[in-house]
Amino acid sequence: DQQVKQNSPSLSVQEGRISILNCDYTNSMFDYFLWYKKYPAEGPTFLISISSIKDKNEDGRFTVFLNKSAKHLSLHIVPSQPGDSAVYFCAARRAGNTGKLIFGQGTTLQVKP
Amino acid sequence: DGGITQSPKYLFRKEGQNVTLSCEQNLNHDAMYWYRQDPGQGLRLIYYSQIVNDFQKGDIAEGYSVSREKKESFPLTVTSAQKNPTAFYLCASSMTSRYGYTFGSGTRLTVV
Repeated sequence: DQQVKQNSPSLSVQEGRISILNCDYTNSMFDYFLWYKKYPAEGPTFLISISSIKDKNEDGRFTVFLNKSAKHLSLHIVPSQPGDSAVYFCAARRAGNTGKLIFGQGTTLQVKP
Repeated sequence: DGGITQSPKYLFRKEGQNVTLSCEQNLNHDAMYWYRQDPGQGLRLIYYSQIVNDFQKGDIAEGYSVSREKKESFPLTVTSAQKNPTAFYLCASSMTSRYGYTFGSGTRLTVV
């Protein structure tokens, strides 16, 4: 039962353009969502998060949008840089379930110079 | 600097042997987790522990065992009962009152 889904395994964009990574979830009890970035042979690092009471959170070039009615969130990277090339994981936390995160399958982003 | 350390980075074992992966954190985090990463399958939860001397199975616990004798340490043993042990293993920790994990750098286990 895949409660968090990233349906696009890969995405390729040109440097300077916008990257949009998508994530869908099925559990309406999720109250917090996070994005992690992962380079090969390294652990994921936290990128940005959003509470379910908000619909947008912005941090520099990164913006996360949450559409609760559609159970959909997206990560926008503007402008994209070659150093952004990595695997991006969407994660969700269920309300009342202290700590445990459920991760999506990941999307590999390639930013071409 | 505070952080979470996994060792070794690469590990090779013969089929049928048990192997233990180390995970140590000095962040004073209450909770610790073990995930496995396989191509196309994202991060799957093996075991997690929210307090010392207590742990729970995750989604794919079969063939694995853990212990949590100290707050700082959460070793994972991959037993011979695990059918497909070759994978990238990630340890993480968090404060249970906060969101998000701090991950270690991972251990690549290859069973030959």
